Amino acid sequence: QQPVQSPQAVILREGEDAVINCSSSKALYSVHWYRQKHGEAPVFLMILLKGGEQKGHEKISASFNEKKQQSSLYLTASQLSYSGTYFCGTENNYGQNFVFGPGTRLSVLP
Amino acid sequence: DGGITQSPKYLFRKEGQNVTLSCEQNLNHDAMYWYRQDPGQGLRLIYYSQIVNDFQKGDIAEGYSVSREKKESFPLTVTSAQKNPTAFYLCASKVSQDNWEQFFGPGTRLTVL
Repeated sequence: QQPVQSPQAVILREGEDAVINCSSSKALYSVHWYRQKHGEAPVFLMILLKGGEQKGHEKISASFNEKKQQSSLYLTASQLSYSGTYFCGTENNYGQNFVFGPGTRLSVLP
Repeated sequence: DGGITQSPKYLFRKEGQNVTLSCEQNLNHDAMYWYRQDPGQGLRLIYYSQIVNDFQKGDIAEGYSVSREKKESFPLTVTSAQKNPTAFYLCASKVSQDNWEQFFGPGTRLTVL
């Protein structure tokens, strides 16, 4: 079952922060985050596992709330290069039923 | 440089014709995937293959077929049975089914006239 992402789209000014959420109605084992820039292939950002720690990469980090079956992606002090569509992908069990969400379009303006 | 290539980038076909999309990788990855991307729907899995000569249907396999005769190649055929084939098609691979990260190709935009 496809996870739900919110918001569908967000527009920011450079330097502002954003949060993108990914939620599922079923218990999750893992949440994967990808970013796709316009006209390019999706690129892997990070994975969060059940029982794992919050992950981070420079000014992009993510958390996984197992009780709520939800993951949040945090973009801090956004840069123009952060623009693109962010997809979460979820697994219910190890190696099973991986499915991408519909995506959140992020636009960072100067 | 290692990577995934998809050709062509843009493809036009007449309704009723079968068309094959190419996907080649030189990453020595075992697992390969085909996704279809439509606006607002994310990436939907068409077919995947964990090893040579083996593949499984994904969520939207109807109207598509694949083969995996070589480790580096995973072509996708869009048949005339696919009712709405116009879309952006992405191929991906990863080291094995047990690994997390998928590497994507640049995609092929198919337009059926």
